Amino acid sequence: SAVISQKPSRDICQRGTSLTIQCQVDSQVTMMFWYRQQPGQSLTLIATANQGSEATYESGFVIDKFPISRPNLTFSTLTVSNMSPEDSSIYLCSVTRGQGPYEQYFGPGTRLTVT
Amino acid sequence: AQSVTQLDSHVSVSEGTPVLLRCNYSSSYSPSLFWYVQHPNKGLQLLLKYTSAATLVKGINGFEAEFKKSETSFHLTKPSAHMSDAAEYFCVRTGNTGKLIFGQGTTLQVKP
Repeated sequence: SAVISQKPSRDICQRGTSLTIQCQVDSQVTMMFWYRQQPGQSLTLIATANQGSEATYESGFVIDKFPISRPNLTFSTLTVSNMSPEDSSIYLCSVTRGQGPYEQYFGPGTRLTVT
Repeated sequence: AQSVTQLDSHVSVSEGTPVLLRCNYSSSYSPSLFWYVQHPNKGLQLLLKYTSAATLVKGINGFEAEFKKSETSFHLTKPSAHMSDAAEYFCVRTGNTGKLIFGQGTTLQVKP
């Protein structure tokens, strides 16, 4: 498994502002992902964070709104830009160690409320 | 399209009775399948996984799931529910790119 921490654990932000969420893993991992979980909903993949290159975004998500960095094999950030109340969600990072369809391990999540 | 369907959005059981959470998947091949649990205000925890080995998979906390290819099902069971089992449960499969595809979730309520 992997020990994953996220900062902040929760935040309340005003619309139009941006928030950067950090994800730290206790050891090197192959792949890191960012998910969004809207209230009462399941998880939706935002993007795959690629080490040393641009993230790979899923349909419906764009870099201008959700810029992602991954400077090394244990750390990634997700920024939620120009926030609106519709961005109120839990944002989770996850990691996997190997190539292929291995299980993912999830961080505790960041609960974001936009007012 | 690859998908996962959790047949019940909400399941309520009494403490000490069996738990059954139903999951069907659509696919032209056998994917890897997982069950995750999410307790309130907590992250997701892996309960168990199926990766084409034994069809009956045992997980943590007394949960198990059986992969049935003929029925494209991967139902989660537990013989006796405990109050601490109350949580949201997600059936998850891999897509053909290795990404995870989540079901809509089943809320398990355990009554004393």
